[in-house]
Amino acid sequence: QVQLVQSGAEVKKPGASVKVSCKASGYTFIGYDFNWVRQATGQGLEWMGWMNPKTGDTGYAQKFQGRVTMTRNTSISTAYMELSSLRSEDTAVYYCAREGAYGDYAYWGQGSLVTVSS
Amino acid sequence: DIVMTQSPDSLVVSLGERATINCKSSQTILYTSNNKNNLAWYQQKSGQPPKLLIYWASTRESGVPDRFSGSGSGTDFTLTISSLQAEDVAVYYCQQYYSSPITFGQGTRLEIK
Repeated sequence: QVQLVQSGAEVKKPGASVKVSCKASGYTFIGYDFNWVRQATGQGLEWMGWMNPKTGDTGYAQKFQGRVTMTRNTSISTAYMELSSLRSEDTAVYYCAREGAYGDYAYWGQGSLVTVSS
Repeated sequence: DIVMTQSPDSLVVSLGERATINCKSSQTILYTSNNKNNLAWYQQKSGQPPKLLIYWASTRESGVPDRFSGSGSGTDFTLTISSLQAEDVAVYYCQQYYSSPITFGQGTRLEIK
């Protein structure tokens, strides 16, 4: 069965960077795009961008352009999302989500809490 | 960007009654090449990631109870829970995956009366 297991919670200072991992299993890693979505406490879902794990092609939401980098390591079936120049407003749960066959997000990781605090 | 607007923001329904959530997109999300609406519905329970319920506006994901149904086309969509169960308490989101950036509705909180 498809599983996405994310890295653990992180606490970072303003201005620092964070790198969240998403390890996939149960399917062919390069077969489906990854997306990253974040959710601040009590708030809605915010799309950050996508990555094609086969080619490494990416597309980012304009809001995060210049601060976010999505990469992958195909040898260990893991996708990564790195966010730099962190500020308090970046405190949120970050989810990886794998697309289904039709573009929807059929599979989600459990979420990684990133707290930005001085 | 396509703006997704859900209504209502919150909903209180009795057990066994029908719950209806609406979602409106700021422009059409109907792919004319295959006549499919690129709209999904998700359920998010407290402390959990979202769970896909419906894709293509009306196709139920495998394993989703048939009390959940989706309808609509173009810019106006509806998620209906035909007979509310206690385990349906959650926040529900619509999402368009027609064009980038992918956007979600603001969410509808569903509670039991």
